[in-house]
Amino acid sequence: EAGVAQSPRYKIIEKRQSVAFWCNPISGHATLYWYQQILGQGPKLLIQFQNNGVVDDSQLPKDRFSAERLKGVDSTLKIQPAKLEDSAVYLCASSFRLAGAGNEQFFGPGTRLTVL
Amino acid sequence: AQSVSQHNHHVILSEAASLELGCNYSYGGTVNLFWYVQYPGQHLQLLLKYFSGDPLVKGIKGFEAEFIKSKFSFNLRKPSVQWSDTAEYFCAVNANGKSTFGDGTTLTVKP
Repeated sequence: EAGVAQSPRYKIIEKRQSVAFWCNPISGHATLYWYQQILGQGPKLLIQFQNNGVVDDSQLPKDRFSAERLKGVDSTLKIQPAKLEDSAVYLCASSFRLAGAGNEQFFGPGTRLTVL
Repeated sequence: AQSVSQHNHHVILSEAASLELGCNYSYGGTVNLFWYVQYPGQHLQLLLKYFSGDPLVKGIKGFEAEFIKSKFSFNLRKPSVQWSDTAEYFCAVNANGKSTFGDGTTLTVKP
C-alpha cells in the first residue's frame, strides 16, 4: 500500500513570497489533515477535510493560508505572503474515518519550509 | 477546547531500563487516544491506539499504554528499552473527530 505523498520535501523562500505544498493521501482515505510543526513542538492542526468538505479550519490563519481538496483526493496548502514565523515542517496525514475505529492517521514525510 | 500535556520533554535512559512517558488530556467526553513515534529521519507512525474495550493496549515493539479515564491519562510504558527506541514520542487525542497532539517527548537510549 502506497503511503501519503508530499512535495516538495524542502522549500526555502523569502518573506512575502508565496509557496504551495501538495499532498496525495492513501487511496480510499476520506479524511485529510494539514499540520504545522514548529521545531520543538507537536503537530498543530491547520485544516481537516472530510472528502472535499472542510471539517475544521479554526486554527488556519485565513488571511495568508488557504487549502483545497478538489475531488476529495489530492490537496494543496498555500501560504501567501509568507512570514518568518511560518518556518516549520508542514505535515499531511490521512485516515480512513473521521473518528472512532479506523481514524489513526498516516503521515507523509512533510515539507520543511524555511522563510528568510 | 481539548488539550494534551506530555510531562517530560526529554528522557535519557540506559538500555534495559524501564520507560514510562506521561500523557494527560483535557476533555470530558468520549476520546480516542494514540501514541505516535518518529524515529530519526522517518515519518510519524502509529505506535498504539485506544478507542474502546480493554484499557490496557499493546502496540508494536513491546510498547503498551494504559487508559485511566478517572485520571484523564494515557501513559506509555515499555519494560526494557533498546537503543533503537531512540525517537520522539507524541501523544494524541481525537474527540468529536478533532485531533490534538502533545508537544512530544524525546527519548534517548544510551547503549
